[in-house]
Amino acid sequence: EADIYQTPRYLVIGTGKKITLECSQTMGHDKMYWYQQDPGMELHLIHYSYGVNSTEKGDLSSESTVSRIRTEHFPLTLESARPSHTSQYLCASSEAGRRTEAFFGQGTRLTVV
Amino acid sequence: DQQVKQNSPSLSVQEGRISILNCDYTNSMFDYFLWYKKYPAEGPTFLISISSIKDKNEDGRFTVFLNKSAKHLSLHIVPSQPGDSAVYFCAASTYNQGGKLIFGQGTELSVKP
Repeated sequence: EADIYQTPRYLVIGTGKKITLECSQTMGHDKMYWYQQDPGMELHLIHYSYGVNSTEKGDLSSESTVSRIRTEHFPLTLESARPSHTSQYLCASSEAGRRTEAFFGQGTRLTVV
Repeated sequence: DQQVKQNSPSLSVQEGRISILNCDYTNSMFDYFLWYKKYPAEGPTFLISISSIKDKNEDGRFTVFLNKSAKHLSLHIVPSQPGDSAVYFCAASTYNQGGKLIFGQGTELSVKP
C-alpha cells in the first residue's frame, strides 16, 4: 500500500495570495514528482526531484517552485496565485531505478478566484 | 507534440464483457509502459506495466499488450465489472529519463450492469 499524502485536498483562494501545497511520503523513495492535470487532459510533469537538495523543472512550464530539504517532504509553492493556476496538482514518488511505477497522492484541487 | 495518445475519450461496455483500451505513442525511445486508473478527485492508481522487451504482461483480469512495430499498446480487462468504471491513463518513460512519465489524455471507461 502506497503511503503518500497531500494537503489540502481542496483549496479555494483569492488572486495574489501565496500558497503552499504539501506532499509527504513515508516509503523512503528518493524520487518525487509534481504533476498538473486539467479535466479531460493528460497529466503534465511540472517538477521533479531525485533526492535531497535536487530539484528540476518538468516538461510543462510552471510559475510554481519546489524544495526538497527532507527525503519525505516535497512542497510546492505559488508566490502569487492567479486564476490560470486553477487545476489539480498531483504529487508522486517512486523508488530508485529506471523502470519503476510512480505512486500518487490523492491530489489537491486548487481554485483561484 | 503529444508523444502518448489515447484517441478514444470514452468507452462503454456491458458487465462481464471485455474492455479494450488503446494507446499509441510516437517516441521509439520509450521502453517502459504503464497503465493507471483514476477516479474523480483522486490520484491515479497503478494497475500494470510492461517493459519493451516483452509483448504481453498479465495480472489477474488485466492484460497489457505491446506492439513495438506499430507503437501501440492496449489494456484488456476481462471480465469487466462496474467497479472498473474510471478514467484509464497510459504512460510511458525512457531509460535515460530516469522514470519520468509521459501520460496520454485518458479514456473514461463505463461498465454497465
